[in-house]
Amino acid sequence: SQQGEEDPQALSIQEGENATMNCSYKTSINNLQWYRQNSGRGLVHLILIRSNEREKHSGRLRVTLDTSKKSSSLLITASRAADTASYFCATIGGSNYKLTFGKGTLLTVNP
Amino acid sequence: NAGVTQTPKFQVLKTGQSMTLQCAQDMNHEYMSWYRQDPGMGLRLIHYSVGAGITDQGEVPNGYNVSRSTTEDFPLRLLSAAPSQTSVYFCASSYDSTSGYTFGSGTRLTVV
Repeated sequence: SQQGEEDPQALSIQEGENATMNCSYKTSINNLQWYRQNSGRGLVHLILIRSNEREKHSGRLRVTLDTSKKSSSLLITASRAADTASYFCATIGGSNYKLTFGKGTLLTVNP
Repeated sequence: NAGVTQTPKFQVLKTGQSMTLQCAQDMNHEYMSWYRQDPGMGLRLIHYSVGAGITDQGEVPNGYNVSRSTTEDFPLRLLSAAPSQTSVYFCASSYDSTSGYTFGSGTRLTVV
């Protein structure tokens, strides 16, 4: 079964606004990763946060991790039309090396 | 530096036919995985490998075989194609379990 579950399934915002996507998972993890997929393309790795980290930044991206709640959030600040894509969280479990994905959030940024 | 290369990009098969989806990476990554992506289902793990000679099953392994004879290549074999295997297939690789994965551009497979 799939480990991660993103929320919301779809999000539509205006350019310049912030976008927040959430991910919940079921079992203990080694790390959690976020990926972006533009329509019809392969996935691109955005950021990885380890289980002993609580927050991480990369450019306009901010990721938080709460292992007690088994949840993570991805914040994209000052969004652009080019940020329109599907965003997936994925986890690597504590006892295996499988990278398993959620079903994704479709983000639409309107110009 | 080509990254992860998948071939073919598109394929149409008849039910019962077999074929091999090719995946090659030139980054000396130990970890490689195959996923299928269906509408509304996200990515589901088919098989994965943590090094040459080592493979294991993912969430949806039935109907698929893999082998990892070299670090660079990780082919996925469909034994007897079924319409339920119509999907987009992605291969991905990573240096280790603490690194992000690099994805190929995918193979769009239709089984009729």
